[in-house]
Amino acid sequence: GENVEQHPSTLSVQEGDSAVIKCTYSDSASNYFPWYKQELGKGPQLIIDIRSNVGEKKDQRIAVTLNKTAKHFSLHITETQPEDSAVYFCAASMEYGNKLVFGAGTILRVKS
Amino acid sequence: NAGVTQTPKFQVLKTGQSMTLQCAQDMNHNSMYWYRQDPGMGLRLIYYSASEGTTDKGEVPNGYNVSRLNKREFSLRLESAAPSQTSVYFCASSPLGLNTGELFFGEGSRLTVL
Repeated sequence: GENVEQHPSTLSVQEGDSAVIKCTYSDSASNYFPWYKQELGKGPQLIIDIRSNVGEKKDQRIAVTLNKTAKHFSLHITETQPEDSAVYFCAASMEYGNKLVFGAGTILRVKS
Repeated sequence: NAGVTQTPKFQVLKTGQSMTLQCAQDMNHNSMYWYRQDPGMGLRLIYYSASEGTTDKGEVPNGYNVSRLNKREFSLRLESAAPSQTSVYFCASSPLGLNTGELFFGEGSRLTVL
């Protein structure tokens, strides 16, 4: 089955700097890659996703890139702000009929 | 908007006790899921229900049972709790087919088994 590895497990950045979180997946059939943000005491919330027919997707300060050949995808947050501090999870699945497999999570701390 | 509501938010059990975690969604979603979250292991799928009347095992189903009571409600039961089931449990729902779109999560239920 699918296995998703996520790095780093913790990341500290200065406010205004960029943050990058990387994930690799094992199943070449996976073609849906969402990213979730979890704030303290809350459930995860989808922030961006990408499907395999595109290599990059942006939404304001957040972007995701996908390299299907290398089987890895990354989350990029620019101009980080204190409210970006949270746990971020990547995930992968086949778009139809398969279960979403999550990475272990990255704790992002933005220092002001 | 309530979204996905889980009860209880906190529970302490003794080994061997049983309990049921309740989940309800008011978004008319077809699919519902139960995940557990453990440090360093991300979110792991316990059981899911692609539509009313169907349930299926996920990655870690042992020690759990589920009931899709109706389209709104999906409960998770621990028949004989074990310390290894100490975790934070999340219910989620999705408007599309099985894991084909955004998951909407509840706020979690923290369970401690002594």
